[in-house]
Amino acid sequence: KNEVEQSPQNLTAQEGEFITINCSYSVGISALHWLQQHPGGGIVSLFMLSSGKKKHGRLIATINIQEKHSSLHITASHPRDSAVYICAVRPRQGGSEKLVFGKGTKLTVNP
Amino acid sequence: SAVISQKPSRDICQRGTSLTIQCQVDSQVTMMFWYRQQPGQSLTLIATANQGSEATYESGFVIDKFPISRPNLTFSTLTVSNMSPEDSSIYLCSARLKLNYGYTFGSGTRLTVV
Repeated sequence: KNEVEQSPQNLTAQEGEFITINCSYSVGISALHWLQQHPGGGIVSLFMLSSGKKKHGRLIATINIQEKHSSLHITASHPRDSAVYICAVRPRQGGSEKLVFGKGTKLTVNP
Repeated sequence: SAVISQKPSRDICQRGTSLTIQCQVDSQVTMMFWYRQQPGQSLTLIATANQGSEATYESGFVIDKFPISRPNLTFSTLTVSNMSPEDSSIYLCSARLKLNYGYTFGSGTRLTVV
């Protein structure tokens, strides 16, 4: 079982819809990251969370440390939001700086 | 925010040859990492690039196949040696930033071995 599980694997939405992507993890963490990967392969870091909630434009990320769960929300989705969204955690054990990645959620937003 | 310049962005190579990928970061970093992403899979850590010394490789990856250099704090190279079609993947570098301990990623190198 992967230490980081994302759902759904694939998501298709109509422009303007509210979108939620979920991430669950099984280890104690120092931080959780949400990343966006475009078809060319490049990755952009969206959020780094250790508690609570962060907002940037139409994107909102929340984390519940007790439940080991995080969500990424996109309000008023747009076709340019189409990408793979990846959840990654930095395990607390051993003071590691390595990230453990989920398999990603492929989002397609249709006009 | 910090930017990693990764080159080349893509390449098609003959089996048996080698390809060197470069990454240059424009900010101070603590750690640099190299990842492989096979089709349909999540990112897998190949190694941590250490400045001025041998890289630290993850299980299943060896220096002879993936030699890594990091001659200074902000520059690193990964070579994929003696390539076979199974090496066709996206290769990404990443760095942990000194400023806020966040992570930044390169734009990826899409490698196809024929």
